[in-house]
Amino acid sequence: DVQLVESGGGSAQPGRSLRLSCAASGFTFDDYAMHWVRQAPGKGLEWVSGISWNGARMGYADSVKGRFTISRDNAKNSLYLQLNSLRPEDTAFYYCAKSRDYELPPPCDYWGQGILVSVSS
Amino acid sequence: QSVLTQPPSVSAAPGQKVTISCSGSSSNIGNNYVSWYQQLPGTAPKLLIYDNNKPPSGIPDRFSGSKSGTSATLGITGLQTGDEADYYCATWDSSLSVVVFGGGTKLTLL
Repeated sequence: DVQLVESGGGSAQPGRSLRLSCAASGFTFDDYAMHWVRQAPGKGLEWVSGISWNGARMGYADSVKGRFTISRDNAKNSLYLQLNSLRPEDTAFYYCAKSRDYELPPPCDYWGQGILVSVSS
Repeated sequence: QSVLTQPPSVSAAPGQKVTISCSGSSSNIGNNYVSWYQQLPGTAPKLLIYDNNKPPSGIPDRFSGSKSGTSATLGITGLQTGDEADYYCATWDSSLSVVVFGGGTKLTLL
């Protein structure tokens, strides 16, 4: 069975950094693009970033461009999201999601359970 | 303000049919596949429909999708209480090179 398990969330002050990880299992990790999608409490889904199967292509939402960095380690079946210069509006549940394809366009066919990032002073 | 426009809420009685619309533009829905997701309260989103009208394995045939021009529609027939959830459309935006989601539609059974 496909499993995506996020870790690394928690509380941070504005301007600080966090690093999210997503451990993947149950599929051939390096065959698929991966994404991060977030959801602020009580709000809708917002795509944050995606990375192609080999890491050659990455995309970011305008709201995080220049502050967040996506990466992957295919040898470790892991996806990462480095969150720098955090803002209160970055407070959300962050989901790791597997693409059905090796490039960035959706859909995402499997999702992790999500992890909360809370940014406040 | 989402790039894709969905009605905030829809409602219908158990056993009835409901449709949820998703409106975009030529740079997103008009030239890319649409997918739909169901998010039950307190859970992660689940893929319902991909490539406009294809259900993944295990999705009941009560759920269907269609696309025409720059709009897409999710249809749900034989509504059940377990269908009460938030529904989101998504696609790729070729001009922005980003994934875009609709604002979500809350389905309530009367």
